[in-house]
Amino acid sequence: DTEVTQTPKHLVMGMTNKKSLKCEQHMGHRAMYWYKQKAKKPPELMFVYSYEKLSINESVPSRFSPECPNSSLLNLHLHALQPEDSALYLCASSQDAAGAPPAEQYFGPGTRLTVT
Amino acid sequence: EDKVVQSPLSLVVHEGDTVTLNCSYEVTNFRSLLWYKQEKKAPTFLFMLTSSGIEKKSGRLSSILDKKELFSILNITATQTGDSAVYLCALTGTASKLTFGTGTRLQVTL
Repeated sequence: DTEVTQTPKHLVMGMTNKKSLKCEQHMGHRAMYWYKQKAKKPPELMFVYSYEKLSINESVPSRFSPECPNSSLLNLHLHALQPEDSALYLCASSQDAAGAPPAEQYFGPGTRLTVT
Repeated sequence: EDKVVQSPLSLVVHEGDTVTLNCSYEVTNFRSLLWYKQEKKAPTFLFMLTSSGIEKKSGRLSSILDKKELFSILNITATQTGDSAVYLCALTGTASKLTFGTGTRLQVTL
C-alpha cells in the first residue's frame, strides 16, 4: 500500500478565514512533506518533517503553519492567506531520513485551494 | 544550489512512437534521481536511480543514470494516449529535499 490521503480535495476560503489541510499515511514512513504547486509549474517544497520534527522550512510565510501530531498525520494550518496562495497543495511521505538510504516520495492527491 | 533541467519542455508524438526525455542536473551531494508522471493530480512515482549505468525498467518505460555526465533519460516505447502527461525529474541532495525540474509535457496523439 503506497497511499497518502489528503482532505479536503477542494477548499475555497476568504482572506480572513482559518482553515486546515490534513494528510495521512499508514506506510510507516518517517518523513513527511508539504509542497505547493502552481499551474504548469513543478511542485515547490514548503516543509519537511522527519521523525515528527520540523527539519526544513523553505522560508515559508508564517500564514502557513505546519503541524505533525504523530508519525502518520501532517496538518497545514492556514490563516490570513492571500489570493496568490491559491494553488494545489501536495503532501508526500517517504522512508527517507538523514543517514538512511535514499527513498522515493509518495504523493497524496492534493488539496486544490482557492483564496478569494 | 541544486538544479534540474529537463528537455524538451514539450513534445507531441504519434501513438506507437518511441520518445526519450532528458534530465540534466547539478548537485552538491547526490543521493538519488527520481522520475514522476503527473496527469491531473498528484505526481506518481516511476523510478528512483542511484547508480550509474543500471537501467530501471517497467513495462514500456525505462530509465538510466549517468553520474559522470550528470544526466538521466527516460524512454517510453510504443507510446499510447494514456502516456500523455507531464514527466517530472527530481533530485535528492542533502536533507532529503526533492528539487524538481520544470517537467516535459508529453502529448501522444492517435
